[in-house]
Order: sequence, then structure tokens, then C-alpha cells
Amino acid sequence: RKEVEQDPGPFNVPEGATVAFNCTYSNSASQSFFWYRQDCRKEPKLLMSVYSSGNEDGRFTAQLNRASQYISLLIRDSKLSDSATYLCVVTRDSNYQLIWGAGTKLIIKP
Amino acid sequence: GAVVSQHPSWVICKSGTSVKIECRSLDFQATTMFWYRQFPKQSLMLMATSNEGSKATYEQGVEKDKFLINHASLTLSTLTVTSAHPEDSSFYICSASATSGSPYEQYFGPGTRLTVT
Repeated sequence: RKEVEQDPGPFNVPEGATVAFNCTYSNSASQSFFWYRQDCRKEPKLLMSVYSSGNEDGRFTAQLNRASQYISLLIRDSKLSDSATYLCVVTRDSNYQLIWGAGTKLIIKP
Repeated sequence: GAVVSQHPSWVICKSGTSVKIECRSLDFQATTMFWYRQFPKQSLMLMATSNEGSKATYEQGVEKDKFLINHASLTLSTLTVTSAHPEDSSFYICSASATSGSPYEQYFGPGTRLTVT
């Protein structure tokens, strides 16, 4: 089983819609969680950290469920520019290593 | 702030040759630099972690004699792919962690696309 699992998609969503996807992780000792976005042939860019209490940044909301070991990302009022691959990232114990999911591809259509 | 550059952006080389990729932190000092490899439609795979002035720590399955990493200063790390083969063709990305702030916060270079013919 992979340490971090994501549905690869692609998720085809009309512009303006709300979309959400999850990521599960296997290491219960993981301390920090992040969502990155990666555009085609580009480096990943940090979208947001995920806190235990959940956090919101504009149209993006991230939530953490430690009991079930998953994090989620919700995008409201999706824009064409939101089309990208969204990578779930989890830390491995305390050695600051980041474990990456394979990403969920999101395609926003006009 | 927190800009990481990577050179070259892309390189095409013949099988058997060696390729050096540079990763620089432009406006901060990087205690630790990470080298990743990403194959199409796959996740980033950590290859090695390097701290300035010490030997890199390689992930299981990564040949240290094939992927030579040098981290001679707080702003520069290099990855040399020795005797490259077509299966080494991939997207290589470095990231750097600053000496202060969250150790989990990594700043990524733009990546180097290596094609070995």
C-alpha cells in the first residue's frame, strides 16, 4: 500500500462548480499535511497547509481527519486557471521528509 | 523571496555521458536541499537529502555512485547523473529548506527535464 494515495482523476468539472477530492495516508505518526498544485511540466507550488481545525484560503478549503487518516481539498467557484494536478503531501515522522501522493488531475471546462 | 533556480531547464544527452544539474537558492541560505525525480503521471520520488558540508543521504534504491550529489555551500547543490541511460530520462526537481522557519517548508526549483537518447 502506498503511503499517500490519491485518485488520479482526471476530474472534469464545469467552470463555477464546486469540486472536492481526498487523499489518504497510512502513517498515523504523520504530523504535517499540505496541498500542492503542479501545472504540466512545472515544479509543484504550495497551495496551502492543512491544519487540524481545518483552514480556508479564499475559494480553497482544506480539512484533516486524523481518525480516518485523510485530508481533503474543496474548491468553490472553480476557475479555468484551477486546472492542474493537485498533490497531497504528508510528512514522515520527524525527519522532515515529505511524502508525495501521485496527484489528482483537475480539468475545469468552460 | 525564497527563490530557487535550477539549471539547465532541459538537456538532451547521449547514452553513456554524464549530466550535471545545478540547484541554487538565490535569496536565502538553504540548510538542506532535496533532489526529486518525477516520471510522467507519477508522484515526486525523493532521491536524496543533502545538508551543506556533509554527504547526502540517499533513499533506498537510489544508486549513490550513479547520482552524485555535492552540497558545497548553503546556496548550491549539484546532482550529476553519471553514465546516463534512457531509463534515467525524467524530470529532476530540487528543493531547498531554509535555515529558519518551518523545516517542512520547501522551495522548489523549476525542474530539469533530462532526455537520454
